[in-house]
Amino acid sequence: SQKIEQNSEALNIQEGKTATLTCNYTNYSPAYLQWYRQDPGRGPVFLLLIRENEKEKRKERLKVTFDTTLKQSLFHITASQPADSATYLCALDRSSGNTGKLIFGQGTTLQVKP
Amino acid sequence: GAVVSQHPSWVICKSGTSVKIECRSLDFQATTMFWYRQFPKQSLMLMATSNEGSKATYEQGVEKDKFLINHASLTLSTLTVTSAHPEDSSFYICSAAGRVETQYFGPGTRLLVL
Repeated sequence: SQKIEQNSEALNIQEGKTATLTCNYTNYSPAYLQWYRQDPGRGPVFLLLIRENEKEKRKERLKVTFDTTLKQSLFHITASQPADSATYLCALDRSSGNTGKLIFGQGTTLQVKP
Repeated sequence: GAVVSQHPSWVICKSGTSVKIECRSLDFQATTMFWYRQFPKQSLMLMATSNEGSKATYEQGVEKDKFLINHASLTLSTLTVTSAHPEDSSFYICSAAGRVETQYFGPGTRLLVL
């Protein structure tokens, strides 16, 4: 069956360090993968989309990699700040196409300590 | 990014009553809107997909007669939880998409059924 897995344990890091979050999936051949940020009691906020033919994508302090062979995406936040503390979700379109019907991972909570 | 609003942001109701939640795309026309549900410590689960002017399509296990969706215009979709019960208490989040690979999420509506 199709699965998306993120490390359910919280990630605690010191301010200024790089946070690396992992998203693994099985039984999917997604056309793209997305990362979202979710704060407590709020809806997800879109961060980055990476397509199957892209290895890496960057946006300011954020970097996403996508390895379709390993079926894994890594999400990096460099020079992390306490304001980066949140839950980060990866999501895939559940088909190999583009239906917009997203399947979300359970999220990894990041805590950046000053 | 685009702005999506939800109303109300939270609602408390008695068991057996119906609750309507509105989702509006404020600055773009959404050809498709999605409704998700999120239980505590869990990820977002897609409930249904609605396209303007047509019937919503529901995910497996979601009762269409209990969760009524109306997508009356390109900027408004409503979700009505009919005869709500305590197990319907959850965080309901909508998203709106111009292009389906780019979804903008609302802030969510927290429903508590007593």
